[in-house]
Amino acid sequence: NAGVTQTPKFQVLKTGQSMTLQCAQDMNHNSMYWYRQDPGMGLRLIYYSASEGTTDKGEVPNGYNVSRLNKREFSLRLESAAPSQTSVYFCASRKNLGQGNTEAFFGQGTRLTVV
Amino acid sequence: GIQVEQSPPDLILQEGANSTLRCNFSDSVNNLQWFHQNPWGQLINLFYIPSGTKQNGRLSATTVATERYSLLYISSSQTTDSGVYFCAVPRYNQGGKLIFGQGTELSVKP
Repeated sequence: NAGVTQTPKFQVLKTGQSMTLQCAQDMNHNSMYWYRQDPGMGLRLIYYSASEGTTDKGEVPNGYNVSRLNKREFSLRLESAAPSQTSVYFCASRKNLGQGNTEAFFGQGTRLTVV
Repeated sequence: GIQVEQSPPDLILQEGANSTLRCNFSDSVNNLQWFHQNPWGQLINLFYIPSGTKQNGRLSATTVATERYSLLYISSSQTTDSGVYFCAVPRYNQGGKLIFGQGTELSVKP
């Protein structure tokens, strides 16, 4: 059982280049999330998808777009990368445990450097 | 919004020592998770613990929801326990996003 899988693990981009971070989960979860982690800032939510076909902005959506391709996959796109987007990106999915309880699972992260 | 505070921010242990990490939250929660971020950056689920006590090997966690805190106990620490420990609570009115504490950075020396 792979859980949440992100690709790539590492990437270096030049300013202005574009790229897509891929995320897939095999746990049949409805909700999926993209976070970024920066030193001193903790993890901040970029976008989330409560279910297939829906996406919503989080705290720091500027400069990013997302696609919920199907229930398994949730991708994050940087259209024109900027040095401020240098960060570690995490994809997560959320398991519904019933009675309002949920548990989140994270991918292994993508370390992105924009030069 | 809810505030999640962890203490201590840093901790250095000799291998074999025990430790207690604390997580305080400012509002009522019905869900709390503990994660370990290892030196390679992976976020690993340790416990889902909205209340009560759970144990997994050398690690155990207790949440007292009525008093708004959770504790993570590490016994007989090993060098592989090094990394950052986070607690996090979800906000269902914000899509279920997790609010993380700032973490406790643990270093276990051989």
